[in-house]
Amino acid sequence: DQQVKQNSPSLSVQEGRISILNCDYTNSMFDYFLWYKKYPAEGPTFLISISSIKDKNEDGRFTVFLNKSAKHLSLHIVPSQPGDSAVYFCAASGSGGSNYKLTFGKGTLLTVNP
Amino acid sequence: DAGVTQSPTHLIKTRGQQVTLRCSPISGHKSVSWYQQVLGQGPQFIFQYYEKEERGRGNFPDRFSARQFPNYSSELNVNALLLGDSALYLCASSPGQSNQPQHFGDGTRLSIL
Repeated sequence: DQQVKQNSPSLSVQEGRISILNCDYTNSMFDYFLWYKKYPAEGPTFLISISSIKDKNEDGRFTVFLNKSAKHLSLHIVPSQPGDSAVYFCAASGSGGSNYKLTFGKGTLLTVNP
Repeated sequence: DAGVTQSPTHLIKTRGQQVTLRCSPISGHKSVSWYQQVLGQGPQFIFQYYEKEERGRGNFPDRFSARQFPNYSSELNVNALLLGDSALYLCASSPGQSNQPQHFGDGTRLSIL
């Protein structure tokens, strides 16, 4: 039973446009959410996180939105750049914050075309 | 500053053998977690250690074991290897306080023949 779902295996956008990556979760005990980016042959790199007490967190070109009632979060990248092309993983953790075990989605492959 | 380092980067074993994977956390980080990532899936939690004590265990058989040393480095051991153990094994470290993100190494690619 997948508790974190990324229903879009891939997404293609033009350079300079907005990229929106989506993530849904089923476990209401999750209280901390993170996005990681992964290039081939490298480990996941932390991008941005959000606590369940917030509905938005912004860091430069990256913004994460959380809709607790819908159990849905999204990552917005504006403007998208070719270097953003990678696999993006949504992850969630329960009580104890991000130090506790992370439950990951299957990932979304983002391709940003020049 | 050095990130999370894992060794070896690649490993080939045969069924029934045993393997030990190693991880050095970021300096100052006291928590180490292990994840398994098979092709087409997200990383799946195996173990977490904090201050040398096991804090959490995922849904993996007893063939999987781990430990953390006084310098906070960690080893993951897998016995009686099966073909299905072929995967990328990722180590992540964090300071240990709440709401500090885990930082990952580049992983060990384990292939079972």
